[in-house]
Amino acid sequence: GAGVSQSPSNKVTEKGKDVELRCDPISGHTALYWYRQSLGQGLEFLIYFQGNSAPDKSGLPSDRFSAERTGGSVSTLTIQRTQQEDSAVYLCASSSGQGGLAEAFFGQGTRLTVV
Amino acid sequence: AQKITQTQPGMFVQEKEAVTLDCTYDTSDQSYGLFWYKQPSSGEMIFLIYQGSYDEQNATEGRYSLNFQKARKSANLVISASQLGDSAMYFCAMRSLIFGAGTRLFVKA
Repeated sequence: GAGVSQSPSNKVTEKGKDVELRCDPISGHTALYWYRQSLGQGLEFLIYFQGNSAPDKSGLPSDRFSAERTGGSVSTLTIQRTQQEDSAVYLCASSSGQGGLAEAFFGQGTRLTVV
Repeated sequence: AQKITQTQPGMFVQEKEAVTLDCTYDTSDQSYGLFWYKQPSSGEMIFLIYQGSYDEQNATEGRYSLNFQKARKSANLVISASQLGDSAMYFCAMRSLIFGAGTRLFVKA
C-alpha cells in the first residue's frame, strides 16, 4: 500500500526479552519519527530521522532503546531487556518535509505488551 | 524548551454547533509549524490542519480552522458544524515532534 506500514501490529513479550519493531515509511519521505503512546496519553517523541543527517535521539527514555534506519527507508526500533513499563503503542510516522514542518503520516502502530 | 499545552482534557459539544479546542505553545524558534491531529477510538492518527509561524492568514481546511495568535502563542482549533464522527482525541503538535496531552471531544446528538 501507499501508507506507513508497521509490523507486527501486536507483540507480547516476556520481561527481559529484546523486541524489534519495524516501520516501512511512505516511499520518498525523508523524515521518519518514532513515538510511544501509553493508554489514554499523548504521544511521547522517541527519535527522529531526517535524510542522511544524524538522528535526533533526544526522546529515547533509556539506553535500552535504539533505532536505525537503513538506506533512508525502513526503520527498526529495538528495545532491549524489556520492562513492564515499556508496554505501550509504538507509532511510526513519515513526512516529506524537513525540520518537522510538514504533516506526518502515521502507521497503525505496534501494541507492545510486556508480561 | 519547546512545549505544547492543552488545558481541556475533555469537551462536550452539541451536534451542528461549533467548538474551540485550546492549544498554547512555547518555543524560542522563529520558524516553526503547528499541527492538529485527530485520533479516533480506532487509534489511527489523522492530520487535520497546519499553520506555519510566518503564515499571515489563519489556516482553514473545510470545517476546521486554526485561530493563530502569535503574540499569545496560541493555536486554537475551531471545528464548525460538529458531527458525531468528530468524537475523538485531538492533539496539537509543534513540528510533529512535540505533542500536547490531547483533548477528548464528545459530540452529543
